[in-house]
Amino acid sequence: SYVLTQPPSVSVAPGKTARITCVGNNIGTKSVHWYQQKPGQAPVLVIYYDSDRPSGIPERFSGSNSGNTATLTISRVEAGDEADYYCQVWDTSSDHQVFGGGTKLTVL
Amino acid sequence: QVQLVESGGGVVQPGRSLRLSCAASGFTFSSYGMDWVRQAPGKGLEWVALISDDGSKKYYEDSVKGRFTISRDNSKNTLYLQMNSLRPEDTAVYYCAKDRSSTTSPGVSGMDVWGQGTTVTVSS
Repeated sequence: SYVLTQPPSVSVAPGKTARITCVGNNIGTKSVHWYQQKPGQAPVLVIYYDSDRPSGIPERFSGSNSGNTATLTISRVEAGDEADYYCQVWDTSSDHQVFGGGTKLTVL
Repeated sequence: QVQLVESGGGVVQPGRSLRLSCAASGFTFSSYGMDWVRQAPGKGLEWVALISDDGSKKYYEDSVKGRFTISRDNSKNTLYLQMNSLRPEDTAVYYCAKDRSSTTSPGVSGMDVWGQGTTVTVSS
């Protein structure tokens, strides 16, 4: 089965840039989606199709995908960005949705 | 506004059954694929099942295949998850989620609307 690997945690100071990676075999050939989940809340889609932002998501959130790594980039990080972030793909070989293990973003 | 509201969670003994419901409003329910996603306490997101807009295609995570059944009633704008032979490891918050796009194959466009979740606890 297809596996997505994320770092368990990323820390960043306010105003700096956070980068969260999602590693998967040839992930660059798949469409990657990213979700933000704050404690006690449902996930929120923040990036779809590698780099598109849903309406209402700040431009500070961006994404890229190439080779074996997809990356969620959060610029000018704010305290309110502190959350768990998950990458997700649709694996066509197994007809399964696949989530990464999640990354806890801490704003110092 | 676009909304999903889950119900049906509770405490159940191992081996018993439970049916979850997800009531949709604010969008054309019959045009979108729908997912169930769960989250065990303190753990990450785990996909459970997906159903196409017309209910003709269904997909399951391996550990629930044969025990869980996803279905929908487009006349009632409601998604269901019938869970049989429940195990302690099925304990989780269960979310329903809507496919972002109505024009792509089910599951490929991301999930843009999520319910608040319903809690299932399997314990003797």
